[in-house]
Amino acid sequence: KNQVEQSPQSLIILEGKNCTLQCNYTVSPFSNLRWYKQDTGRGPVSLTIMTFSENTKSNGRYTATLDADTKQSSLHITASQLSDSASYICVVSAVDSSYKLIFGSGTRLLVRP
Amino acid sequence: DVKVTQSSRYLVKRTGEKVFLECVQDMDHENMFWYRQDPGLGLRLIYFSYDVKMKEKGDIPEGYSVSREKKERFSLILESASTNQTSMYLCASSLTGRRYSNQPQHFGDGTRLSIL
Repeated sequence: KNQVEQSPQSLIILEGKNCTLQCNYTVSPFSNLRWYKQDTGRGPVSLTIMTFSENTKSNGRYTATLDADTKQSSLHITASQLSDSASYICVVSAVDSSYKLIFGSGTRLLVRP
Repeated sequence: DVKVTQSSRYLVKRTGEKVFLECVQDMDHENMFWYRQDPGLGLRLIYFSYDVKMKEKGDIPEGYSVSREKKERFSLILESASTNQTSMYLCASSLTGRRYSNQPQHFGDGTRLSIL
């Protein structure tokens, strides 16, 4: 069964600190992996998309990594800001169904001053 | 920037009512989607449309129907609302075709629907 699991479920860090969110998946055959940021009361917004051949991609202070062999991804946030407080959702797409995405349940991050 | 607009941010309806949720996108995307989002469950696909008047069931279509009469508009219909349909509903759109398979889906800001 295609699944995406994220950890931790929630995380609290102090402003300025770094953090890393984890995503494990069992989707096969793999097409791409996406990280979305969802602010409270808003829709998800795409941060990065990585294909099988990419093992790292950055978007400002956000850096995503992908290990297609172990089926793991991480999202690293550098020098966190209060505006990073949000849910971060890992989403995986299979080759045979590019429109149908498998969503993780998200990691809720709270950045405190 | 792609804009996906959902007609209502908050909606309160009664059990048994017929409920319409509207979604409009302004980027000429072929694909449009309706999801519901519940705590701890992630987003679940209700219905998907890849062209005008075309639709496919997602993972949880029971109790819902959809309408796509124009390319830019995708409506979700709750035929007879029930309390277990209280949820956040998200609409999304994307381009179609293999060369766009790595393009993101663009989401609206959601409609928080409460069924009393």
